[in-house]
Amino acid sequence: GAVVSQHPSWVICKSGTSVKIECRSLDFQATTMFWYRQFPKQSLMLMATSNEGSKATYEQGVEKDKFLINHASLTLSTLTVTSAHPEDSSFYICSARGSGQGNTWGGYEQYFGPGTRLTVT
Amino acid sequence: AQRVTQPEKLLSVFKGAPVELKCNYSYSGSPELFWYVQYSRQRLQLLLRHISRESIKGFTADLNKGETSFHLKKPFAQEEDSAMYYCALSDSWGKLQFGAGTQVVVTP
Repeated sequence: GAVVSQHPSWVICKSGTSVKIECRSLDFQATTMFWYRQFPKQSLMLMATSNEGSKATYEQGVEKDKFLINHASLTLSTLTVTSAHPEDSSFYICSARGSGQGNTWGGYEQYFGPGTRLTVT
Repeated sequence: AQRVTQPEKLLSVFKGAPVELKCNYSYSGSPELFWYVQYSRQRLQLLLRHISRESIKGFTADLNKGETSFHLKKPFAQEEDSAMYYCALSDSWGKLQFGAGTQVVVTP
């Protein structure tokens, strides 16, 4: 139980285009989802926190107009990288956390997706 | 400021030897600390959390508030323990801040 999926697992796009990454909680309702970015040989850096039905909150230094986050349902959050540039190439990872109530799985623990490798050419 | 420090980028140990991964933190509130592990080509997964005080796969970690540390230990390393280990601190909103990570390599 408590599985989080991401789609696509990797994507290559041209500079100036937009890319959407999906994060889904498969067997629990995720009231909160987090988006991280990981550069090669570096740690995960939190980009934003997404709560179902409300606007995402972004960490300092993260451009909210560039990284659009939508958490429209309790099982899906999307990250759209708008007008992507080569410096946006990175590994993007989401995690999901349940409400702690009424979930067979989830609770307050964060469950991580497998990540999406974005390459902007 | 909130910070998690893992001083060792790489830890190489022999099978059967003890292994200790260091983690120090700074946080103004009451900390909630975790160890996450990432095996090769797999997703990040929770290994331990300090509030549960459990032993998983032979690993233990004790929160030492006086030394602001949460070191991860295992008395006898196994080859399958080779992985990337991240120490993480959760704030009151549940946001995780990760350390830089320690790559553990267990050689036979």
